[in-house]
Amino acid sequence: DVVLTQTPVSLLISLGGQASISCRSSQSLVHSNGNTYLHWYLQKPGQSPQLLIYQVSNRFSGIPDRFSGSGSGTDFTLKISRVEPEDLGVYYCLQRTHNPPTFGGGTKLELK
Amino acid sequence: QVQLKESGPGLVQPSETLSLTCTVSGFSLTSNSVHWVRQPPGKGLEWMGIIRSGGSTDYNSALKSRLSISRDTSKSQVFLKMNSLQTEDTAIYYCTRSGFDYWGQGVMVTVSS
Repeated sequence: DVVLTQTPVSLLISLGGQASISCRSSQSLVHSNGNTYLHWYLQKPGQSPQLLIYQVSNRFSGIPDRFSGSGSGTDFTLKISRVEPEDLGVYYCLQRTHNPPTFGGGTKLELK
Repeated sequence: QVQLKESGPGLVQPSETLSLTCTVSGFSLTSNSVHWVRQPPGKGLEWMGIIRSGGSTDYNSALKSRLSISRDTSKSQVFLKMNSLQTEDTAIYYCTRSGFDYWGQGVMVTVSS
């Protein structure tokens, strides 16, 4: 199975600051069709995960442009600029290029 | 709009069978697959299995011997059955659409006597 390693495990950020989360894969996430199925989620306390970014860099409906995704192959990054209180929670990456789909271990974003 | 909602018992006895239902709206099960994902308290997310738009299924190899996913397209419902439950199966169970874009609210299942 593909292993996704997220770093850091936790992140202390001031309101208005910038956060960067890394997701590294044990193998390339480029599908045979040319697409890369690496997605990012935020799970707020007591809620289900919500999709932020799909296929590396595409913002899902209603997601503000403070969230951006980048990367290719095995290395991917989620950046959150101008952090707001509603951005706090645990961030996960997910790959569904290879079966079975697998998730990263999560990165907890907290306020400094 | 797209919605998914899980339902089922909150408490299951060890060695018993878990039965959950995912009721969907805003999309068709004959055009979309549905996944089941679970999350033990305070831990990360684990993919359990999928039922595809054509009705075929695929399971996490670690759960395959205990897990079954089926559906009733006329009722827009997907079912999860998992037998021989143990305490380590205590988790929030989620259903989610094809591309993991929309998720249900989740249902907490505790395995305890």
